[in-house]
Amino acid sequence: DTGVSQDPRHKITKRGQNVTFRCDPISEHNRLYWYRQTLGQGPEFLTYFQNEAQLEKSRLLSDRFSAERPKGSFSTLEIQRTEQGDSAMYLCASSLRGNEQFFGPGTRLTVL
Amino acid sequence: DQQVKQNSPSLSVQEGRISILNCDYTNSMFDYFLWYKKYPAEGPTFLISISSIKDKNEDGRFTVFLNKSAKHLSLHIVPSQPGDSAVYFCAASGRSMDSNYQLIWGAGTKLIIKP
Repeated sequence: DTGVSQDPRHKITKRGQNVTFRCDPISEHNRLYWYRQTLGQGPEFLTYFQNEAQLEKSRLLSDRFSAERPKGSFSTLEIQRTEQGDSAMYLCASSLRGNEQFFGPGTRLTVL
Repeated sequence: DQQVKQNSPSLSVQEGRISILNCDYTNSMFDYFLWYKKYPAEGPTFLISISSIKDKNEDGRFTVFLNKSAKHLSLHIVPSQPGDSAVYFCAASGRSMDSNYQLIWGAGTKLIIKP
């Protein structure tokens, strides 16, 4: 399977714990995006990488959130001191040309 | 402020008929529009896109129409099939406004195809 993959698919954690999600983009794609989606809403942009450089971060991304893309390949999104409001589907997408983004299956986070 | 709006939360269509999903936008800097389809517990799947230099793009059963003056686009699916039942998202981006091609999304329309 050469699509975007995300791990884990589901994560349940207690409030205050740290969580880390991983995204493996399509191999030749240099652009990588993280989005967050809550029920009944469309995805909301969180951050963007071109190769290993993080070029933009949304104001939604508080200082508890950090993302990396070492060597311009896979990416990780870490949430520290999780809060119940962080419960959402976290989506990763990659693209080559920019406009057409291809999404992974998402990681559903539940914070108890 | 919602820049991309899908005003119908759901739509029910008979199998074999045409499904028309609508999307409105407010930002005149948007120059590229996309439709994605999403099944439960899966990520969005790219369906079809259109650049602002065109007013129509067709791919098999899917056609997207763009009316720039009205800031409106629509997705036509004909004939509708049971497997088309999903949530459809409209998304927009603007190369001139944002070099990262960040997508701005509508809230989605749930399409139900009745047998």
